[in-house]
Amino acid sequence: EPEVTQTPSHQVTQMGQEVILRCVPISNHLYFYWYRQILGQKVEFLVSFYNNEISEKSEIFDDQFSVERPDGSNFTLKIRSTKLEDSAMYFCASTDTGETNEKLFFGSGTQLSVL
Amino acid sequence: QQQVKQSPQSLIVQKGGISIINCAYENTAFDYFPWYQQFPGKGPALLIAIRPDVSEKKEGRFTISFNKSAKQFSLHIMDSQPGDSATYFCAASTASGGSYIPTFGRGTSLIVHP
Repeated sequence: EPEVTQTPSHQVTQMGQEVILRCVPISNHLYFYWYRQILGQKVEFLVSFYNNEISEKSEIFDDQFSVERPDGSNFTLKIRSTKLEDSAMYFCASTDTGETNEKLFFGSGTQLSVL
Repeated sequence: QQQVKQSPQSLIVQKGGISIINCAYENTAFDYFPWYQQFPGKGPALLIAIRPDVSEKKEGRFTISFNKSAKQFSLHIMDSQPGDSATYFCAASTASGGSYIPTFGRGTSLIVHP
């Protein structure tokens, strides 16, 4: 079964540094998402992306965050200047268009630790 | 308005027992209610989902019961197995800009003892 791939699986960074989290969505999917999960808490929506632009974003997704689809396969989340509270598991997800577009496929996540 | 409330936070069940997880929502615009299963170190994976035009959906040992008037829905796992031990998230969503963006509950950690 096709799957969403995320790299790296773990990322440790110093506060104030920039990080880029990478995702390869399922190849025929057109909607892309980033969610995050702080340890022991619920999965929170950050942003959705379609047709090379942000379609929805939450209040969490402030100016420190940006997303990009630099080529035909990758989808990235950049955190410009990391804060301690950015430490979380970040999940990428994708879905196709049409009748099954409500089913999100999630990657295994990138555990970001900000020291 | 956008919250999805889930209970219990944790659940311990004996093998063969019934696991029941409950969720409630407020936004009547929600029209798709999935349950996701998450194993340690993995992302959430869609388990089963329901739309509000039916009151129950069953897939194998997993059943969603939906009460539209009460704005509540629940997941029932029959004949629970140790392999069902995972975190379960309910979610609710509605179409927005052509896609669905699930709002998740806080999750239920299920442990099934052998």
